[in-house]
Parts: sequence; C-alpha cells; structure tokens
Amino acid sequence: GAGVSQTPSNKVTEKGKYVELRCDPISGHTALYWYRQSLGQGPEFLIYFQGTGAADDSGLPNDRFFAVRPEGSVSTLKIQRTERGDSAMYLCASSLGERTEAFFGQGTRLTVV
Amino acid sequence: AQKITQTQPGMFVQEKEAVTLDCTYDTSDPSYGLFWYKQPSSGEMIFLIYQGSYDQQNATEGRYSLNFQKARKSANLVISASQLGDSAMYFCAMREIGGTSYGKLTFGQGTILTVHP
Repeated sequence: GAGVSQTPSNKVTEKGKYVELRCDPISGHTALYWYRQSLGQGPEFLIYFQGTGAADDSGLPNDRFFAVRPEGSVSTLKIQRTERGDSAMYLCASSLGERTEAFFGQGTRLTVV
Repeated sequence: AQKITQTQPGMFVQEKEAVTLDCTYDTSDPSYGLFWYKQPSSGEMIFLIYQGSYDQQNATEGRYSLNFQKARKSANLVISASQLGDSAMYFCAMREIGGTSYGKLTFGQGTILTVHP
C-alpha cells in the first residue's frame, strides 16, 4: 500500500511476555518514528531512525524497550517482560527527511493483561 | 516544562461555522516547525498543515489555516465552514530544527472537536 502499515492492529498479551510490533514505512522515507499514546493523551516520542541508525532513542522509557531498523526500511519495536502500564496505542510514522511532515500508520493497540 | 499547550480539552461548533483551536508553544530554538494533526476515532493521525518559524505568511491548506503569532508563541488552527466529518481529536505539534534531535515531534494534549448538525 501507499501508506505506513503497522501490524498487528491489536495485540493482547500476558504480563511478563515479550512482544514485537512491526512498522512498514512509506517507500523511500528515510526517517521513521515510534510514538506511544495513552487514552486521551497526545503521542509521546519513543525513538526515531534516520536510515538504519537510531538518531534519538531518548524517549524509550527503560531497557525493556528496544527498536531496530536493520535495512533502513521496516522497523520492529520490541518490548520485553511486558507490564500492564505498557498498554497503549503504539504509533509509527515516516517522513522523507527530518524536516518534512510525518505520515502516521493506524497504530497497534497493545493490551497487557 | 510543557513545550506544547492546548488549553481547550473540548470544543463544539455548529456545522458550516468556523472554529479556532488554540495552541501555544515554548522553545528557545529560533528554527522550528509547527504542525497540526487530526485523529479521528479510527486512530490514524492525519497531517493537516505546517508552519515554519521563518515563514512570512500564515499557512493555509483548503479549509485549514494557521494563525501564527510568533511573538506570542501561538499557532492556532482555524477550520472554516466546519463539516460533520471534522469531528475528531486535533493535536498541535512542534519540531525544533536547530536542536540535536531535530526530527522529533513533540505533541500537545489535544482538543476534541465536535461538530453539531
């Protein structure tokens, strides 16, 4: 498709489990961003990539969260030992460069039970 | 400190009327960009409009315009001729271009807009 694609759209997992959230950006977009959004709140920055490297990971809340983008296209957000407080909408966005608008995917709703 | 402040948790407007959604920002970076996004109940963030800090004119995109008052550090979104489909959450966001993390967007808390028929 032409837009940013995120899979799965919904994920329910048990506390303590490991999850992976996938983001497929718009073709040719070099910048990729991950955000977390709690209900009724604005998106909170987690990490962004320029190409394959993480240009800024200052928003990752702790070492249970990790993200990769090995080939400069698809990115995976990985969460270890999930906690109930990790439940949120995880949004991915991509842009042509760091100075242009970011286009968002539909998000992955993560629920930790 | 809050970098983006949206003081209106909810706004109501009659169909076909204009509405202004408020946004103030805080930055010491002379070079920055301001964005507005719309988030319908489906969850996707839809880009609406962009204003650069050095842009001389206020940005416009169809029914959307940005009332940029640099000295007041405000970037209000004006929606003209509201439609029922405009009912959604609206977010103001800022990118500080001069900083070390100039790709990062910082979002406000959002304003829920409801358009009445």
